[in-house]
Amino acid sequence: EAGVTQFPSHSVIEKGQTVTLRCDPISGHDNLYWYRRVMGKEIKFLLHFVKESKQDESGMPNNRFLAERTGGTYSTLKVQPAELEDSGVYFCASSYGQGPYEQYFGPGTRLTVT
Amino acid sequence: SQKIEQNSEALNIQEGKTATLTCNYTNYSPAYLQWYRQDPGRGPVFLLLIRENEKEKRKERLKVTFDTTLKQSLFHITASQPADSATYLCAPNSGGYQKVTFGIGTKLQVIP
Repeated sequence: EAGVTQFPSHSVIEKGQTVTLRCDPISGHDNLYWYRRVMGKEIKFLLHFVKESKQDESGMPNNRFLAERTGGTYSTLKVQPAELEDSGVYFCASSYGQGPYEQYFGPGTRLTVT
Repeated sequence: SQKIEQNSEALNIQEGKTATLTCNYTNYSPAYLQWYRQDPGRGPVFLLLIRENEKEKRKERLKVTFDTTLKQSLFHITASQPADSATYLCAPNSGGYQKVTFGIGTKLQVIP
């Protein structure tokens, strides 16, 4: 069974540019999550999709971040325009059902904004 | 505000010994608590989940305790091996919520 995949693995952009991160969850997992780890800090929740609907987006930092999950399969996270403080590792995770099911994490996308 | 405390300093132990990692939380009452392992350049990997009505849970060489009075969880790895070297993340979570709330993690180094 293929795990959660993320693309790209690493992105370096200049302040003010746009970047789009992609996540492909495990097939059949309705729940998809985005998290971010800023250097020296904890991994923090950004948002949660159930199929194509946003269940919880309480962790999104501001309106420069836009997440989509069209068709309930893969998801994209766009940052526009990027700021220096957006640098970090962005993780995607997926899980099968509701409740405290284990979440399967992807390897992350390391975003560097210069 | 809710706070999760893990010893962010690295823990070094000799191969074969038992490693014990501590997770303390304040200002909330999690219905369950998870432990994850993270290797460099990888995403977290789920290890164990323990519910508030469970005092202890075991899986192979792993043991987790959950003391809701002390607001503390202990994570033990017995007969530790160099392959156990990684960062271990504690995640106490409230029931009904899907998002995982992580502590900063403790880096474990098992010395051969």
